[in-house]
Amino acid sequence: QQQVKQSPQSLIVQKGGISIINCAYENTAFDYFPWYQQFPGKGPALLIAIRPDVSEKKEGRFTISFNKSAKQFSLHIMDSQPGDSATYFCAASLTGANNLFFGTGTRLTVIP
Amino acid sequence: KAGVTQTPRYLIKTRGQQVTLSCSPISGHRSVSWYQQTPGQGLQFLFEYFSETQRNKGNFPGRFSGRQFSNSRSEMNVSTLELGDSALYLCASSLGGTYNSPLHFGNGTRLTVT
Repeated sequence: QQQVKQSPQSLIVQKGGISIINCAYENTAFDYFPWYQQFPGKGPALLIAIRPDVSEKKEGRFTISFNKSAKQFSLHIMDSQPGDSATYFCAASLTGANNLFFGTGTRLTVIP
Repeated sequence: KAGVTQTPRYLIKTRGQQVTLSCSPISGHRSVSWYQQTPGQGLQFLFEYFSETQRNKGNFPGRFSGRQFSNSRSEMNVSTLELGDSALYLCASSLGGTYNSPLHFGNGTRLTVT
């Protein structure tokens, strides 16, 4: 059973556009929600993370929006660039644990 | 600062054999976690070690085991390999002193079982 559901599976965006990736979870014991970016042949790299006491967190062109009541969170990439083309994973971890439950990933392609 | 180093990068084994994968964490990081990545199942947590002790374990059979040494380096062992064990195995390190400290992943070991 997938603990964290992610959509869409793939996304194509024009350069300069906004990329939006959504995730949903059921377990209310999750209290840490990171996003990872993975390029081919590389391991995932932490992009940005949020905790449930905050509804939004922004770092540069990347923003996480968090809706605790709906148990959903999303990643927005503003002014998308071809260099952003990668696979993005949302994840969640339980209170007091380090292990992450990952979404199934979204392959983002930014067209020049 | 050097990142997480995993060796070897690629490995080809035959069904029934065993394999050992190695991970050197970022200097100062005391927690090492292992993940399996496959196209079908995605990224799945195997286990976490902190100060040479297994702190958490995922839902994998006992054929998958690991250990951590006093210098925080870690090894993962898979015995009696099955075709379904073909995957990218990722190691991640973190400071580990508090929970949810950011994980830093290596580039993985690609295991192919024939």
